[in-house]
Amino acid sequence: DGGITQSPKYLFRKEGQNVTLSCEQNLNHDAMYWYRQDPGQGLRLIYYSQIVNDFQKGDIAEGYSVSREKKESFPLTVTSAQKNPTAFYLCASSIGTFSGNTIYFGEGSWLTVV
Amino acid sequence: SQQGEEDPQALSIQEGENATMNCSYKTSINNLQWYRQNSGRGLVHLILIRSNEREKHSGRLRVTLDTSKKSSSLLITASRAADTASYFCARMAAGNKLTFGGGTRVLVKP
Repeated sequence: DGGITQSPKYLFRKEGQNVTLSCEQNLNHDAMYWYRQDPGQGLRLIYYSQIVNDFQKGDIAEGYSVSREKKESFPLTVTSAQKNPTAFYLCASSIGTFSGNTIYFGEGSWLTVV
Repeated sequence: SQQGEEDPQALSIQEGENATMNCSYKTSINNLQWYRQNSGRGLVHLILIRSNEREKHSGRLRVTLDTSKKSSSLLITASRAADTASYFCARMAAGNKLTFGGGTRVLVKP
């Protein structure tokens, strides 16, 4: 099946630790995104990438880092600099960079600080 | 601040009734999209309406867009218990950057 796979579904992070969330897509999409969702809230854009080896900061990039070495992969690292990382993280992708494309989402990853 | 603010924040209706939710935005758009999210899951695309369109239908869903008022509405007709979810509008800006509102939580009681 084609789609977006996020892993792990649940992740616990200790204070001061970096963690990486995986996002893989087999839809052959050029653009990929990471969003953060806090309970009962909407989505906020962390980072997005329109093409391999290129990415841009979204609205809340501080404390996060990404890479786009392969078209199908867009991992997100939550660094120790992110002081309030407990949230639901959603990865998404779309065909191209012009407006009018549907964005497809993965099933999300829950990150909790312990 | 988030572009695309939904109203109401929560809505409770009986099965068979219609559900209407609204979305307002602040700056001009290329298109506006509506998404659905079941609790703890990813978002599912429902409808995309372009800035030069006024109304679109998909099954029991009807979306309208009024660019002069910078607002859109989503109507779910003949609601079912399975329609219980959160619904989000999202504004598409240049560069394919999608910005979401806070969502409307819909509860359909059987």
